[in-house]
Amino acid sequence: QVQLQESGPGLVKPSETLSLTCAVSGNSISNGYYWVWIRQPPGKGLEWIASIYHSGSTYYNPSLKSRVTISVDTSKNQFSLKLRSVTAADTAVYYCARPGGPGSFSYWGQGTLVTVSS
Amino acid sequence: EIVLTQSPGTLSLSPGERATLSCRASQSVSSSYLAWYQQKPGQAPRLLIYGASSRATGIPDRFSGSGSGTDFTLTISRLEPEDFAMYYCQQYGSSPQVMYTFGQGTKLEIK
Repeated sequence: QVQLQESGPGLVKPSETLSLTCAVSGNSISNGYYWVWIRQPPGKGLEWIASIYHSGSTYYNPSLKSRVTISVDTSKNQFSLKLRSVTAADTAVYYCARPGGPGSFSYWGQGTLVTVSS
Repeated sequence: EIVLTQSPGTLSLSPGERATLSCRASQSVSSSYLAWYQQKPGQAPRLLIYGASSRATGIPDRFSGSGSGTDFTLTISRLEPEDFAMYYCQQYGSSPQVMYTFGQGTKLEIK
C-alpha cells in the first residue's frame, strides 16, 4: 500500500522559504509516475503546485513557477518542495500525492498546515 | 488555462435522495483526464472517478461520472450519511503546457 507523509516546519516567516519533504513508502519513486505537490488554503479549494519524475523532469504551475523548486531524492525515496519569498497568501495545507488513473491522483499524504506569519 | 466551474455551490439533500453535481470547463477537456474527488473536513481528498466515468478502486457503485467536452456530471444515486462532504472536479491538460486545475467545489450538505 502506497503511503505518503509530508514533513516540515508548520510556521514560516514572510519573505522566507517554505521547505517540505514527502516520504514515500510502499512504492519506489523510481518505479515511475510524476509525483506532485498540491495545496489548499484554509476554507478554499485545491491548487496544483508542481510535479516531478524520478529522472528529475519537472512541471510547474505557471502562477508559482518563479518561486518554486521541486526535487527528488531516489536514494531516500522522497521528494521535496521549496517555495521562496512566501507571504500570508501561501498559508495552506500542503499535500503530496501520486497519480493513479490517468491525470488524477490516487494516493495522498495526510497534509501539513504551513502558516506564514511573523 | 482551463477554468472549471462547479455548480451548485451548495447542494442540500436528504439521505436516500439522488445528487447531481456539475462541472463545466471553459474549454474542451479530454474525457480521459477529468476526475472527481470527495473531501471531508480535516482529510485529504479521495479520488472517486477518473477518466470522467471510471470508478477508482473501492468506490461504491452509487457514484457515477459522465460527460464530455465541457460538461461533466457526478451522480450519487442514493445518498448515504457518509456522502455529505465537499466534492471537487479536476482536469489535466498538456497543451500548451502541463497543467492540472481544480473546480472550486460543491458542498453537499444534509437537508
